[in-house]
Amino acid sequence: QKEVEQNSGPLSVPEGAIASLNCTYSDRVSQSFFWYRQYSGKSPELIMSIYSNGDKEDGRFTAQLNKASQYVSLLIRDSQPSDSATYLCAVTGTYKYIFGTGTRLKVLA
Amino acid sequence: DARVTQTPRHKVTEMGQEVTMRCQPILGHNTVFWYRQTMMQGLELLAYFRNRAPLDDSGMPKDRFSAEMPDATLATLKIQPSEPRDSAVYFCASLTGATSHEQYFGPGTRLTVT
Repeated sequence: QKEVEQNSGPLSVPEGAIASLNCTYSDRVSQSFFWYRQYSGKSPELIMSIYSNGDKEDGRFTAQLNKASQYVSLLIRDSQPSDSATYLCAVTGTYKYIFGTGTRLKVLA
Repeated sequence: DARVTQTPRHKVTEMGQEVTMRCQPILGHNTVFWYRQTMMQGLELLAYFRNRAPLDDSGMPKDRFSAEMPDATLATLKIQPSEPRDSAVYFCASLTGATSHEQYFGPGTRLTVT
């Protein structure tokens, strides 16, 4: 079992819809959780971090964390074609980050 | 604005040659990571440093890869000798380590070994 798992996609959503991206992790002592966006040919860009159970909102993005179930999700409201990218989930207990392989999101105009 | 820089951005070399990649972390960031990304394996951690000391390099092939931080503003990743399977994008990332666990990535070095 991989330490951080994501559905590779592609996840296709129409413009204006909510995109829901999910990630599960295996290490129960994980403390910090991150979502990165990576456009093709570019480097990962941090978009959200979450450290405690519940929801964290930042603009059109909402990260949700459930440590008991060991999953973290990212909701993108009012999806735009510019949101089309690969979204990487990252988990860390100390300084060693474990990245998922990413979910490719396609927002259809 | 503060950002991680990497050189070179692209490198094409022949098998057996030495390759050196350089990274300048964000000023004040005390933890530096080296990653390799391929389509097949995704983003793999190769090594990381805190306050210039290597903390973990278990992800690196030890016989050919080496990573160092000669000073707080420079991290290097060296491959000698290079092999075609080393072809990938190599990213450097840094974080403050003091108040945040948020990592910031450089633009990457795209390495092609022929």
